[in-house]
This record gives sequence, C-alpha cells and structure tokens, in this order.
Amino acid sequence: ETGVTQSPTHLIKTRGQQVTLRCSSQSGHNTVSWYQQALGQGPQFIFQYYREEENGRGNFPPRFSGLQFPNYSSELNVNALELDDSALYLCASSLDGSGANVLTFGAGSRLTVL
Amino acid sequence: QKEVEQNSGPLSVPEGAIASLNCTYSDRGSQSFFWYRQYSGKSPELIMFIYSNGDKEDGRFTAQLNKASQYVSLLIRDSQPSDSATYLCAVNTGGGNKLTFGTGTQLKVEL
Repeated sequence: ETGVTQSPTHLIKTRGQQVTLRCSSQSGHNTVSWYQQALGQGPQFIFQYYREEENGRGNFPPRFSGLQFPNYSSELNVNALELDDSALYLCASSLDGSGANVLTFGAGSRLTVL
Repeated sequence: QKEVEQNSGPLSVPEGAIASLNCTYSDRGSQSFFWYRQYSGKSPELIMFIYSNGDKEDGRFTAQLNKASQYVSLLIRDSQPSDSATYLCAVNTGGGNKLTFGTGTQLKVEL
C-alpha cells in the first residue's frame, strides 16, 4: 500500500505567476483535501474533492482551484501568485468525503513566492 | 475568538515525565477530534482521534474529550526526546473531511 505522494517537493515562483501542485492519494482512498500551512500556523483547509467534484471549500479566493482525476489523483492550481501564498501545501487523502474519516497527509509541497 | 485554540508553548518537560497538551474549540457541533504530531519541516502525522466523551488510550498516549467544556487534551506518558515536536489539535464539524486546526503547541522533552 502506497501513501500520499506530492510533487514537486519545493518550488520557487515570482509574484503573478501560476503554479500547479500534484497529489496521488493513498491506495483505496477516493477523497482528496488540500491544506495551506503558513510558517508557524496550523494547516488551513482549502478545498476537498470527492468523485471528481469539489464538495467543500475553505476561505480561499477563486484563484485557488483544483481538479480530481478518475484515478483519484488531484491537482491544486494557484493563479496570480502573491507573496502571502508562500507556504507548505499539504494534500490529504481519505476513504470517502461523507464523514469524519482519518486523513493521511502527504509530505507537502513547499512554495516560495518572491 | 479562534475556532481552535492551543497554547503555542514551548512546553518543556523532562524525559520520563508526563506532557499535557490542551486544546479548546468554539463550535459545540464539533463531532470528532484529532491530534497530529508535526516535526519541523515535515507533514502532520496522526497520533490519535477521539469522538466520544472520556478517555482513549493508545500506548503512551491518552486523549481526553469533554464536550460540555469544549476541550480536548493529549497526555504523553514517559516522554522521550523523540516526542519533541509540534502537536496540532484538529476539529471536524458537521461531517465531510474539513478539519480546523489550532496553531499547535511546541513540546520539548529535555534530557
């Protein structure tokens, strides 16, 4: 059984650019959630995908968008990057999106915006 | 008022002692509660979850939940230097898998 894998692990962008982060969920997990963790803070919920549909969103602007694919892998896209977008982006998978299932986190993608 | 509050610490305990980490939450509708451990530069890893009032034990860890008082705690017995990390309290409200995290408590276990 494989865990949650994310790519890239580190990346540097400049303000105004766009970024795509990728996540492969744990085997057997059909729900993917994305979290943003700024330095010294707890993770903040961005959104969740279940059966290729967004079924929950946190307090993030529309320039944060995502996709889930039939194999349950997922992408997080951020447009018009701002300095405050610098953070660790965490992907978490779970068995389904309907209940309080245990989340398994990936190692994260650390984004630096200059 | 923050939805999930934790003392940021650092909380320092000697090796072998009991570490007590506390968390309060504001939404009375919260249904499930999680403790994650996060080492510096790493991602959170689940330690325990608890759904019902009372205590839940797993090895050296005990989670305690009091829904009437809206707090959840984590006790670590026989603390080891390898327990030194940031402990994140997370709360799930209303189903789905959205977790609201506190800012974490930094624990230092000293030799």
